[in-house]
Amino acid sequence: GESVGLHLPTLSVQEGDNSIINCAYSNSASDYFIWYKQESGKGPQFIIDIRSNMDKRQGQRVTVLLNKTVKHLSLQIAATQPGDSAVYFCAENTNAGGTSYGKLTFGQGTILTVHP
Amino acid sequence: SAVISQKPSRDICQRGTSLTIQCQVDSQVTMMFWYRQQPGQSLTLIATANQGSEATYESGFVIDKFPISRPNLTFSTLTVSNMSPEDSSIYLCSVGTGNNYGYTFGSGTRLTVV
Repeated sequence: GESVGLHLPTLSVQEGDNSIINCAYSNSASDYFIWYKQESGKGPQFIIDIRSNMDKRQGQRVTVLLNKTVKHLSLQIAATQPGDSAVYFCAENTNAGGTSYGKLTFGQGTILTVHP
Repeated sequence: SAVISQKPSRDICQRGTSLTIQCQVDSQVTMMFWYRQQPGQSLTLIATANQGSEATYESGFVIDKFPISRPNLTFSTLTVSNMSPEDSSIYLCSVGTGNNYGYTFGSGTRLTVV
C-alpha cells in the first residue's frame, strides 16, 4: 500500500552520538526490507537490507534490526557524522509468488540532522 | 550495482504540455520501475516497466497519464502527459536484480509545472 506523510519526523543528534531511526511497516507478508538515505537533490541511496528470516544485520557503522512480531524496523547509525544528515526511508517488498520483485512500499521517512 | 542516468535532471513546464523522462542503465536489467516523490513526501511506485510488453501500473496511476516505454533491457521512458501543477514532483527510475538485492535509483527528475 501507499505510505505518505505531510510532515516527516525529525531526529537531531550531536556528532559522534549513535542514531536510531525507526520504521513501522505495513504488510506482515513482506519478506525483504531496505533502508535508503536521500540527500537533497539526489535519488535514494541504498544503505543496508535485511530479509525476513533474519532479525539483525550489520554493515559499516550501520545495523538494521527487524521485529516481525510488531512489524518494526530500525536503523542504527554508530558515531553519527555531519555527512549522515539526510532523509532516511525504510522500504518493504512483498514478493508474493515471485511476481513482485522490486515493488517497494516506502515508509514516510525521517529527517536526520547531525550537529557538529 | 547498476549505474542509472536520468534525463532531464529538472524541468519547468507549462500546464497542458507533456514531458518525457529518460532512464538509461549501464547494464541489462530485468526490472525497471518508475516512482513519484511529491514535495516533502515519500516515494510511491507508479509502474513497473516490462521489456517487450505493456507496463504494469499501480492503483491510482493510468497509462494515458503516464505512458511508459521499455524498448530494451537498458532503457525506459516515462511521459507525464497533459501536466497540471499537481504533477510537480520528483520522478525516479529504479532498477533491481531478480534476487531482491539493493534496488538502485537514479538521481531523479525534478518537475515543476506552472
